Amino acid sequence: EAGVVQSPRYKIIEKKQPVAFWCNPISGHNTLYWYRQNLGQGPELLIRYENEEAVDDSQLPKDRFSAERLKGVDSTLKIQPAELGDSAVYLCASGSGGTDSYEQYFGPGTRLTVT
Amino acid sequence: GNSVTQMEGPVTLSEEAFLTINCTYTATGYPSLFWYVQYPGEGLQLLLKATKADDKGSNKGFEATYRKETTSFHLEKGSVQVSDSAVYFCALSHTGANSKLTFGKGITLSVRP
Repeated sequence: EAGVVQSPRYKIIEKKQPVAFWCNPISGHNTLYWYRQNLGQGPELLIRYENEEAVDDSQLPKDRFSAERLKGVDSTLKIQPAELGDSAVYLCASGSGGTDSYEQYFGPGTRLTVT
Repeated sequence: GNSVTQMEGPVTLSEEAFLTINCTYTATGYPSLFWYVQYPGEGLQLLLKATKADDKGSNKGFEATYRKETTSFHLEKGSVQVSDSAVYFCALSHTGANSKLTFGKGITLSVRP
């Protein structure tokens, strides 16, 4: 079974430019998460989806970040415009929402560098 | 709110040494506890979990016991290998509506031959 797929793996952009990250979760997983991992820190949740509904976006900086999960499968996270402080690894994870609803499976991440 | 505190790193050990990585937590209710591992160049992987007090999670020779009285979930391995070199994250989660993972800062383990 394929795991969580993310692209691109690496992205370098100049500040004030837009950037987008894509995630394809494990087939059949209804719950999708976006985390941000700063250097030397643990991941922090940005947004959680149940199917196509964003059920927790309290940590998403809505002035510049947006996310969507059309049709409840793939998801896109966008930053516009990017700032230097956005340099981080952006992780996507998915979960089944069943009796093991706390189990999350992570993708390899997108490493963003803003110059 | 919820938080996870891990011991400061990095940790460097010789092969076959005993490993302990400390983890304590603060949370409401009865969270589930996890250890995730991140090998060089790879994504986070679930290493082991425990869902209630006194449960012991184990995998690949690693163990951790959910201690509610001390709010701890320390990771141990009796004999580390070079291939265990990675970053280890302690985390907690509640099921249902609050099912986000709260992670510690992570600790880098290097095992030398």
